[in-house]
This record gives sequence, structure tokens and C-alpha cells, in this order.
Amino acid sequence: NAGVTQTPKFQVLKTGQSMTLQCAQDMNHNSMYWYRQDPGMGLRLIYYSASEGTTDKGEVPNGYNVSRLNKREFSLRLESAAPSQTSVYFCASSQGGGLNEKLFFGSGTQLSVL
Amino acid sequence: SQQGEEDPQALSIQEGENATMNCSYKTSINNLQWYRQNSGRGLVHLILIRSNEREKHSGRLRVTLDTSKKSSSLLITASRAADTASYFCATDARRTALIFGKGTTLSVSS
Repeated sequence: NAGVTQTPKFQVLKTGQSMTLQCAQDMNHNSMYWYRQDPGMGLRLIYYSASEGTTDKGEVPNGYNVSRLNKREFSLRLESAAPSQTSVYFCASSQGGGLNEKLFFGSGTQLSVL
Repeated sequence: SQQGEEDPQALSIQEGENATMNCSYKTSINNLQWYRQNSGRGLVHLILIRSNEREKHSGRLRVTLDTSKKSSSLLITASRAADTASYFCATDARRTALIFGKGTTLSVSS
């Protein structure tokens, strides 16, 4: 039972390069999320998708785009990476869109932008 | 801005001792959740407490919620080295997605 799978686990980019972080869940969950975690800042919500076909901005959406490709997959794209986007990125999912449900997290992608 | 703020930022205790960490939040909530993160891993859900509940238990975990003070506490009894991790509270104040605090880093030494 894989749960939430993120790829890649590590990535180094040069400023201005683009890349897509992939996330897939096998729990038939409706809602998916992207968070970033920075030292001393905790987790901050970038984008979320309450259900297939919908996406919404979180706290820190600037510089990112997302695609809810299907019910399983939710990707995060950096069009022109900046050093400020150096962070650990976590994808998460939950059964429904209700906030009384627990989130299941992937193991993270550590991204460095030079 | 962050909704939940954990306190203390870091906590060091000996095995067998109890660990208490607190979470304060700013606006009304319907529920509050606690998560654990081991080093280099994703977060794992521990417990959810609803706004109409005052206390909840799960194994060695005890969570309290005081909505009048807008605060919650997580107590881990008889701590073990394996409890070494960061602990985060998360609230539904945004009404659309969970908002996490900055976390408390717990170190349990044997």
C-alpha cells in the first residue's frame, strides 16, 4: 500500500529552470494538497485541489502552478525557479474536502535552486 | 500568516518523562489536529479533536482543547526515544484547507 508517492526525492535546479514535481495517491482520495516546509516557518499551503477538476490557491501560490491531472495525480510546476523556492515540498491527500479529515503525506521532495 | 503557533519551539527530556507542547490559534475553529514528523519524513496524523470536545486520548497521547483560550495541548506520557520528532498542530480556520503551525521539536534521550 504505497499511499502518497512523490517524485523526485531530490532535485537541484539553476535559477530560471523549470520543473514539475509529481504526486500520486492510491487511496481514492478526493482532495490533494501541496505544502512547502522551510526552517522556522512550518508548513505553508501552496495550492490545493478539493476534488478532481478544481484547484485553488493557498497561502503562498506565487511562482507555482498546479494540475489535477486525474483523481490520483496532482502535479506542482515551477515555471522559472528562484532561490527563494529552495524548500522541502510535501504533497498530501485526504478522503474528502472536509477539514475534519486527516491528511496523508508523501515523503517529500527536497529542492535546491542555485 | 500562521494560524497555529506551537510552544515551546524545542523540548528536551529524558526517557520516561512526560512531554507537553502547546498550540495557540487566533480565530475560531471547528477542529484541531496534531501531526508528528520524524526527521526527513512526511507528517503523520496523530489525533483530531473537535471544538465541542475538551479532551481526547489515544494510547500515550492526551490532547486538550480550550476554545475560550484558543489553545490546545498535546501530552505524551512516559516518553520513549522513538518519540523524538517534530510535532505540529493544524487548524481549519481557513475553512478550505488545514493551516499548520511551526512545530515543536521534541528530543527524548535515553
